[in-house]
Amino acid sequence: DAGVTQSPTHLIKTRGQQVTLRCSPISGHKSVSWYQQVLGQGPQFIFQYYEKEERGRGNFPDRFSARQFPNYSSELNVNALLLGDSALYLCASSHPQGIDYGYTFGSGTRLTVV
Amino acid sequence: AQSVTQLDSHVSVSEGTPVLLRCNYSSSYSPSLFWYVQHPNKGLQLLLKYTSAATLVKGINGFEAEFKKSETSFHLTKPSAHMSDAAEYFCVVRGGTDKLIFGTGTRLQVFP
Repeated sequence: DAGVTQSPTHLIKTRGQQVTLRCSPISGHKSVSWYQQVLGQGPQFIFQYYEKEERGRGNFPDRFSARQFPNYSSELNVNALLLGDSALYLCASSHPQGIDYGYTFGSGTRLTVV
Repeated sequence: AQSVTQLDSHVSVSEGTPVLLRCNYSSSYSPSLFWYVQHPNKGLQLLLKYTSAATLVKGINGFEAEFKKSETSFHLTKPSAHMSDAAEYFCVVRGGTDKLIFGTGTRLQVFP
């Protein structure tokens, strides 16, 4: 089985631009979550989606948005990029019975804002 | 609210010696706790998890952790370090619904 796949792996954007990151969960996993990991820190929760509905949101500005598609893949959008948005963005999918049964991260998208 | 505190930002050991990475947690209910490892330029890999079953949890690559409610601790140990263990380690607690709350990380260095 394929794991959690994220694209692209690396991205360079200019301040003020918009970016879209993509994630495909493990087959059978209906929940997708997004995390931001700034260099030297632990990942911070951004969003969780389950069955195409937002189930949780972290302390991030409205410039961050996401959605989940019928095939359970997900996109994370960030508008009006700031230098501080430079980070590794991680996607995770969780087992249908909940994260205690399985929670798998992708390898991430490294976003650099210049 | 749930939180974790990793007590050491850096730990250095010699190859073949024991590893101890310390973590304290705070939770208003019985927590689910995890240890994740992140090698340079890699994603996160689950080492082990505690979900209110046995208090001594065995994980991959010889790591284990013990849940101690009286001390609110969940320290990660390994009897003998290997060079390949050098990485960043995160102690994690489950927050509301299906989200994870990460500690600040402990960088483990292993010297030959």
